[in-house]
Amino acid sequence: DGGITQSPKYLFRKEGQNVTLSCEQNLNHDAMYWYRQDPGQGLRLIYYSQIVNDFQKGDIAEGYSVSREKKESFPLTVTSAQKNPTAFYLCASGGEQNTEAFFGQGTRLTVV
Amino acid sequence: GQQLNQSPQSMFIQEGEDVSMNCTSSSIFNTWLWYKQDPGEGPVLLIALYKAGELTSNGRLTAQFGITRKDSFLNISASIPSDVGIYFCAGQEGEYGNKLVFGAGTILRVKS
Repeated sequence: DGGITQSPKYLFRKEGQNVTLSCEQNLNHDAMYWYRQDPGQGLRLIYYSQIVNDFQKGDIAEGYSVSREKKESFPLTVTSAQKNPTAFYLCASGGEQNTEAFFGQGTRLTVV
Repeated sequence: GQQLNQSPQSMFIQEGEDVSMNCTSSSIFNTWLWYKQDPGEGPVLLIALYKAGELTSNGRLTAQFGITRKDSFLNISASIPSDVGIYFCAGQEGEYGNKLVFGAGTILRVKS
């Protein structure tokens, strides 16, 4: 089945540790996105990539890093510099003509 | 970043009633999208709009792309309990591959 897959569904991290969230898509989409969602809040853009080996900062990029070495993959690293990392993280990829975005199931990150 | 104003923030309606929510922007968008998010899941695309004035239906859902290209509305007719969730609008300003901007969401609760 075609789709966008995030893993893991739930992730626990100790303070001060970096952690990487996986996002894979087999939809042949050029654009990929990472969003953060806090309880009761909307989606805030962390990073986005329109093409392999290129990415841009979104509105809240501080404390995060990404890579786009393959079209199918856009991993997000939450670094120790992110002061409040506990949140629901959503990955999306761009649809036909990249005017639509389709989301994965999300990863809930909790810092313990 | 660019802001979308989505209203109402939440709604609590009787089963069978019609629902209406809207989004406005201070700048012109080329694409409007409407998503629904269930708790703990990623948003699912409901309707995509590409042309000013376009009116599109998907079952009990109807959405319109405003003539000014600065607004969009979503109507749900004859609401049912499974309509519960958070509805997001999203807009895309530029051409191919530009990032999406999301509204803060409308929380819909239905009384059975």
